[in-house]
Amino acid sequence: GDSVTQMEGPVTLSEEAFLTINCTYTATGYPSLFWYVQYPGEGLQLLLKATKADDKGSNKGFEATYRKETTSFHLEKGSVQVSDSAVYFCALSGGSYIPTFGRGTSLIVHP
Amino acid sequence: EAQVTQNPRYLITVTGKKLTVTCSQNMNHEYMSWYRQDPGLGLRQIYYSMNVEVTDKGDVPEGYKVSRKEKRNFPLILESPSPNQTSLYFCASSLSTGYLDTDTQYFGPGTRLTVL
Repeated sequence: GDSVTQMEGPVTLSEEAFLTINCTYTATGYPSLFWYVQYPGEGLQLLLKATKADDKGSNKGFEATYRKETTSFHLEKGSVQVSDSAVYFCALSGGSYIPTFGRGTSLIVHP
Repeated sequence: EAQVTQNPRYLITVTGKKLTVTCSQNMNHEYMSWYRQDPGLGLRQIYYSMNVEVTDKGDVPEGYKVSRKEKRNFPLILESPSPNQTSLYFCASSLSTGYLDTDTQYFGPGTRLTVL
């Protein structure tokens, strides 16, 4: 079946540092890929998505590129802020009603 | 304000004592679903509903029941909770199909359940 693998957390960075959170997937066919963010005490929110190979999703300074050759969708941000501290989930949708989520990666940004 | 609400937010109970976690959305969404989030396992879908009176199993439905009598509400029922159902539960809704590709899911704030 489909699966998503994310890097273990927590990821701890200083403000203005560069962020990468790795995500790789296995799926049949051509899934769409997503990053969700969960701020403390809140539900998940869609951060960005890409629906086909080589697409780049971007939002709020975050970017991720759909790489079919490496089955990856790594999340990046050039300069993180304290307000980016949250849990980030990579997910895929293979066109069914049941999406597949990764385990989540906690990001902690210090001033 | 458009939102998905869940109650209670925190619940501690004992094995075998029936409980219900409520979920309500005010966006007139057709699709609703329940997930559980466990350390190291991410989110896994329990049940989903495409519309009133239409429900179906997700990846981990054992030990849970749901009902969809009204469009806005989608309660999760644990008839006889066990300690392995200790988890963080999320309700979500989306406008129509529930496909993440075309239909953004809106999540509730979560319910942390502990079964002793």
